[in-house]
Amino acid sequence: EIVMTQSPATLSVSPGERVTLSCRASQSVSSNLAWYQHKPGQAPRLLIYSASTRATGIAARFSGSGSGTEFTLTISRLQSEDFAVYYCQQYDNWPPVTFGQGTKLEIK
Amino acid sequence: EVQLVESGGGLVQPGGSLRLSCAASGFTTSSNYMSWVRQAPGKGLEWVSVLYSGSGGSTYYADSVKGRFTISRDNSKNTLYLQMNSLRAEDTAIYYCARSGVVVTAIATYWGQGTLVTVSS
Repeated sequence: EIVMTQSPATLSVSPGERVTLSCRASQSVSSNLAWYQHKPGQAPRLLIYSASTRATGIAARFSGSGSGTEFTLTISRLQSEDFAVYYCQQYDNWPPVTFGQGTKLEIK
Repeated sequence: EVQLVESGGGLVQPGGSLRLSCAASGFTTSSNYMSWVRQAPGKGLEWVSVLYSGSGGSTYYADSVKGRFTISRDNSKNTLYLQMNSLRAEDTAIYYCARSGVVVTAIATYWGQGTLVTVSS
């Protein structure tokens, strides 16, 4: 099973800042990588798939990059509604798919 | 509009059974890959199971639930199910159903709000 490791576990940032979240795979997953946003009490929301393709309706301030084992999610200018937990998910040679443990974005 | 509404969660004793339902609208479940994903208290997301599209859709399970959980669907009701048997304390979680993407079938493009399953004596 491919293990996904996200860093950092928690990130304290201010609205308006640029933030980069990291995700590392235990082996190459090519570009088969997605990012989700999850707020308490809500359904998770797909942000990015194929490492860098924004899902329908996702704001341009969200961008993804990387391939192989190293991936990043960048939010260019944080807005109040962006404070949430972010998960990466690999889907190379699935099932199973596996998620990272999440990065929590909190307000500084 | 695509909607997924889970139900059937609740409190159950260890060793007990529960069946979760996920009523879909705005699309046909048999035409899409459908999955269950769970989140234990204070933990991250964990994939549980997937049912492929089509009449003879294949099914796959996480090792943690294999042999205990069964995913299925009722096309006439456009509803996805998860039959959970031999439940353990570690199965306590919010269970989400999700619909796959059309092109990239491994991603979850739509999610329900989840239903809470608590396994405790």
